[in-house]
Amino acid sequence: DIQMTQSPSSLSASVGDRVTITCRASQSISPYLTWYQQKPGKAPKVLIYAAFSLQSGVPSRFSGSGSGTEFSLTISSLQPEDVASYHCQQSYSAPYTFGQGTKVEIK
Amino acid sequence: EVQLLESGGGLVQPGGSLRLSCAASGFTFSTYAMTWVRQAPGKGLEWVSTITNSGGSTYYADSVKGRFTVSRDNSKNTLYLQMNSLRADDTAVYYCAKRVVTDWYFDLWGRGTLVTVSS
Repeated sequence: DIQMTQSPSSLSASVGDRVTITCRASQSISPYLTWYQQKPGKAPKVLIYAAFSLQSGVPSRFSGSGSGTEFSLTISSLQPEDVASYHCQQSYSAPYTFGQGTKVEIK
Repeated sequence: EVQLLESGGGLVQPGGSLRLSCAASGFTFSTYAMTWVRQAPGKGLEWVSTITNSGGSTYYADSVKGRFTVSRDNSKNTLYLQMNSLRADDTAVYYCAKRVVTDWYFDLWGRGTLVTVSS
């Protein structure tokens, strides 16, 4: 199975800060990497697919990058509505594993 | 409105059974493969099972293979998960999700239903 390791597990940043979350795969998975946002009590929603493609309707302050085994999700200017957990998922091969999640809070 | 709505969760004893349902609306259900993903308390997301659009093929995580069965009724726009021989580590919120056509990620999720396995 492909292991997905996210870091950090949580972070606290100020409104307007640039925030980066990293996801590392145990083997190369390019470009089969998706980022989800999950607000408390809500369903996850897709932010980024195929490593760097922005899902329709998602604000442009979200971006994805990376290749091979290392991927990143960046929020260019953190907003209060971005308080959520963020999850990466590989769709390279079954089982389609997720990272353990990163909880983002406002300082 | 495009949405998925899960139901059927609850408290069940170890070794017991439960059937989850997921009602789809607002899109052509029979076009898409559908998936169950779960999230144990304080843990990350875990892919559980996927069924193709016709129901002809099914896929399972090793952790549930032989105990869980995914099915669908395209005439009712409904996805199911029959869970047997439940264990404490099956305790989780179970989400149904719609798989995109050309990849194995999930672009529409329900809000989930909680399954608690405890005596």
